[in-house]
Amino acid sequence: GQQLNQSPQSMFIQEGEDVSMNCTSSSIFNTWLWYKQDPGEGPVLLIALYKAGELTSNGRLTAQFGITRKDSFLNISASIPSDVGIYFCAAETSGSRLTFGEGTQLTVNP
Amino acid sequence: DSGVTQTPKHLITATGQRVTLRCSPRSGDLSVYWYQQSLDQGLQFLIQYYNGEERAKGNILERFSAQQFPDLHSELNLSSLELGDSALYFCASSPRGFTNEKLFFGSGTQLSVL
Repeated sequence: GQQLNQSPQSMFIQEGEDVSMNCTSSSIFNTWLWYKQDPGEGPVLLIALYKAGELTSNGRLTAQFGITRKDSFLNISASIPSDVGIYFCAAETSGSRLTFGEGTQLTVNP
Repeated sequence: DSGVTQTPKHLITATGQRVTLRCSPRSGDLSVYWYQQSLDQGLQFLIQYYNGEERAKGNILERFSAQQFPDLHSELNLSSLELGDSALYFCASSPRGFTNEKLFFGSGTQLSVL
């Protein structure tokens, strides 16, 4: 089946630093999504990307849909303590269900 | 608050038992999805319903079953439970169940099988 390779698995950074994480696959997708999961909660949608090459921002978050349609990245600028959580990429293609990456655990030290 | 309600929040049971997890979708959403999240795996899609009918099936074990009722709430039934079934079970909903729709997740049910 389709698989998303998300990296890094975990990150430990200082408050104020920028963060970058990405997802790659051998499959082509029509939609890339980025979710954040806080402890004890379900994933919450951060950014949705629907077109190859699309670059979208949501506050301090920026994500891009790769030109090849096989990858996506998420950047967080000037991190703050509440950015802590697990970030998941997810992707779908016609006729398939949403596939999730294994997540990036982000820890922000004040 | 996503608008998706899951109960119970925590469930502790023994091997061999049967449990039922419940989900109420966001108001107006017709499609419900069930996902399993284990420690060593990401979110695994189990099954999707749309307006009472099964629409898609993922990696759902035969010991597991689900249904969506006329009022659109859904239940996930897990039977003959094994230790490896311990996980977080999430329900999500979307308006029409199309593959490119955004999913809104509930807070999950933490199942512990002892």
